[in-house]
Amino acid sequence: AAGVIQSPRHLIKEKRETATLKCYPIPRHDTVYWYQQGPGQDPQFLISFYEKMQSDKGSIPDRFSAQQFSDYHSELNMSSLELGDSALYFCASSLSGGPRDTQYFGPGTRLTVL
Amino acid sequence: AQSVAQPEDQVNVAEGNPLTVKCTYSVSGNPYLFWYVQYPNRGLQFLLKYITGDNLVKGSYGFEAEFNKSQTSFHLKKPSALVSDSALYFCAVRPQGAAGNKLTFGGGTRVLVKP
Repeated sequence: AAGVIQSPRHLIKEKRETATLKCYPIPRHDTVYWYQQGPGQDPQFLISFYEKMQSDKGSIPDRFSAQQFSDYHSELNMSSLELGDSALYFCASSLSGGPRDTQYFGPGTRLTVL
Repeated sequence: AQSVAQPEDQVNVAEGNPLTVKCTYSVSGNPYLFWYVQYPNRGLQFLLKYITGDNLVKGSYGFEAEFNKSQTSFHLKKPSALVSDSALYFCAVRPQGAAGNKLTFGGGTRVLVKP
């Protein structure tokens, strides 16, 4: 079965640079979620989109922005990168964004900020 | 605000023995509860969820979990552990009727199954 696709899988950036992470949800899924997992930590919710509209917002820094496009893929844009942004960034998708929905996670993008 | 506690950082079990990973939660109202497993350098894989109904939920790979409302717990169990079950396990909660969609995760429990 098709899964959530994230690209790139690994990304190395310098401080103050920008990064763009991409997420392609499972086909027919219309809701996308972004999570950040720091080293040795549990995933923390950043932001979610349902039908291309922001549906919920968590602890996402102002330096980050995200959007969902007409084909339901999503991009997380990160600017003025800091060392503390080094983490594993997960995208998840679900069928309709309802509270009962199972969120299916992608393999993650490992961002390293030097 | 909701929270999840996984009291054990690591659980060690011999192959073939029963495996239990503990999870307790705190939410306003009734919860939706989830278990995920994370293998090294991999994403989170969904194991099972409790939405409503039978308190015993069966999931993937022979795992099951029991919802206990009075103890606010959702412990993950497997009758006979395999070496391949060695991984990091996360419990997560989402309150019913919550406006947002986010999952709140516990800190994770590392399971080590020894041959």
